[in-house]
Amino acid sequence: KAGVTQTPRYLIKTRGQQVTLSCSPISGHRSVSWYQQTPGQGLQFLFEYFSETQRNKGNFPGRFSGRQFSNSRSEMNVSTLELGDSALYLCASSLRDSRRELFFGEGSRLTVL
Amino acid sequence: QQQVKQSPQSLIVQKGGISIINCAYENTAFDYFPWYQQFPGKGPALLIAIRPDVSEKKEGRFTISFNKSAKQFSLHIMDSQPGDSATYFCAAHVGNTPLVFGKGTRLSVIA
Repeated sequence: KAGVTQTPRYLIKTRGQQVTLSCSPISGHRSVSWYQQTPGQGLQFLFEYFSETQRNKGNFPGRFSGRQFSNSRSEMNVSTLELGDSALYLCASSLRDSRRELFFGEGSRLTVL
Repeated sequence: QQQVKQSPQSLIVQKGGISIINCAYENTAFDYFPWYQQFPGKGPALLIAIRPDVSEKKEGRFTISFNKSAKQFSLHIMDSQPGDSATYFCAAHVGNTPLVFGKGTRLSVIA
């Protein structure tokens, strides 16, 4: 069974630009969560989607947004990038009723210059 | 507000020794406490988890000890090996809320 796939794996942007990250969950998983990982803050929850609906949202500014498609694939977008947005963005999928076990992708490493 | 506090930030252990990572939580409603292991360049993966109705859970060399009254839980890695070198995250969960993670502990096991 294929794991969670995230693209792109690495990207470099400049301040003020926007970025879109993509996540394909494990087949059959309908819940997708996004986390931001930084050395100082660990894993911080961004949002969770289930059946194309945002189910939970973390404490991030409105520049961070996401969506989920009917095939459970998800995208997150960050607009007006700031230096502090440099991080590893992790996507995780889970079964509908097993949200406690998250299966993470390898992440998209974003560097903002 | 950090709901799960993890310590230490980094840990160096000799091969064959015991690695101990501690976590403390605030929300007494949490009812599921997993540990995730992350190797460089990879995403975190579930290692072991415990519910508050038991005080200890063991899987191979990995043991979770849980103290409900103190609102603390810890991960013990017995006979630590260089292959255990990774970052470990504790987490907590309740109901329809997302998993809340600690800030992580970078473990280095040296020969």
